[in-house]
Amino acid sequence: SYELTQPPSMSVSPGQTVSITCSGDKLGDKFASWYQHKPGQSPVLVIYQDRTRPSGIPERFSGSNSGNTATLTIGGTQPMDEAEYYCQTWDSNTAVFGGGTKLTVL
Amino acid sequence: QVQLAQSGAEVKKPGASVKVSCKASGYTITSHDINWVRQAPGQGLEWLGRLNPNGGDVRYAEKFQGRVTMTRNTPLNTAYMELSSLRSEDTAVYYCARRATPSGMDAWGQGTTVIVSS
Repeated sequence: SYELTQPPSMSVSPGQTVSITCSGDKLGDKFASWYQHKPGQSPVLVIYQDRTRPSGIPERFSGSNSGNTATLTIGGTQPMDEAEYYCQTWDSNTAVFGGGTKLTVL
Repeated sequence: QVQLAQSGAEVKKPGASVKVSCKASGYTITSHDINWVRQAPGQGLEWLGRLNPNGGDVRYAEKFQGRVTMTRNTPLNTAYMELSSLRSEDTAVYYCARRATPSGMDAWGQGTTVIVSS
């Protein structure tokens, strides 16, 4: 079965840029999405179709996808961005999630 | 605006079944796929399957084949997910999520906590 791999945790200082990676076999040939998930809340879609931001998502969130790696970049990170981030793709009409990356802003 | 309202928390014994509902408002449920995703304590997001409410077509994750059933009631604008033969490992928060974008799930229910305990 298809697998997506993310680093378990990352940290960033407020105002800095952070990039979270998601690796999978020929992931660049598929579409990647990214979700922000805070404790006690429902996940929120922040990037879909590799690089498109849904309405209401701040411009500091951006995405790319090429080769075997999709990347979520948060520029000018704010304390409110502290959350778990999940990548997701579709393989044979089946949704696959990465294991999640806990982002700490300190 | 688009909202997905799920049914309340459930406590079940091992071997029982649970049925979670997901009522859509702000759009017609037949317009887009409904996916079901869960998060067990301390774990990541896990996809159970998806339902095309228009034709009733379903696709289940291999792990849940034979135990999960996804249905809909279009007059009620509601989707359902039933999981049978529950075990303790099924204790989780279950979410319904709409897929209205080419790849992502753009609207999520508030989650339903299911606890499986003897």
